Amino acid sequence: GEDVEQSLFLSVREGDSSVINCTYTDSSSTYLYWYKQEPGAGLQLLTYIFSNMDMKQDQRLTVLLNKKDKHLSLRIADTQTGDSAIYFCAESFTGGGNKLTFGTGTQLKVEL
Amino acid sequence: GAVVSQHPSRVICKSGTSVKIECRSLDFQATTMFWYRQFPKKSLMLMATSNEGSKATYEQGVEKDKFLINHASLTLSTLTVTSAHPEDSSFYICSAAVEARRSETQYFGPGTRLLVL
Repeated sequence: GEDVEQSLFLSVREGDSSVINCTYTDSSSTYLYWYKQEPGAGLQLLTYIFSNMDMKQDQRLTVLLNKKDKHLSLRIADTQTGDSAIYFCAESFTGGGNKLTFGTGTQLKVEL
Repeated sequence: GAVVSQHPSRVICKSGTSVKIECRSLDFQATTMFWYRQFPKKSLMLMATSNEGSKATYEQGVEKDKFLINHASLTLSTLTVTSAHPEDSSFYICSAAVEARRSETQYFGPGTRLLVL
């Protein structure tokens, strides 16, 4: 099966780091993604990582992948109020142009 | 680049009527388009995958006669909710993918909120 789980809610103070976690079960996934969804809007791709990588950094975003534990995390440094949104991880076996399985989503609230 | 639009953004209809939602890739040709449904505070559920010029592939449990998908061109796919009922009220999101760029993701539309009275 393909179950992707995330914690439902995360609250941080502005300027702190946020870490959003994701656990997946399909070890054959080759691409793992992080998306951001603001209220009433579609999904925006933040970053993605290939399964043969352990880490990827892109400005304030750091993705860590632990294939052994099937654990993916997204760290947002210096979190801002504009980062408040729902964050979804997603996995794909054959690449982003094909079927994506989404996680349950984590609502990030950034407080002043 | 890689902009996907959806129309309408919001629609309210009476029970029993049909509603058509359009999904367009504005600046690229999409060989594959996907239709998702999202319930409040829930994840996205893939409904179907459509390739230009061929029949859509529906996920298990999705009624193909109720959710009609047409992918007439490389820039347009439509989802028609036929004989809509209140339980069809939801947020529908489409996405489009360029096959040649397999490592990249799908590009998502802004979504259409459907309310069936």
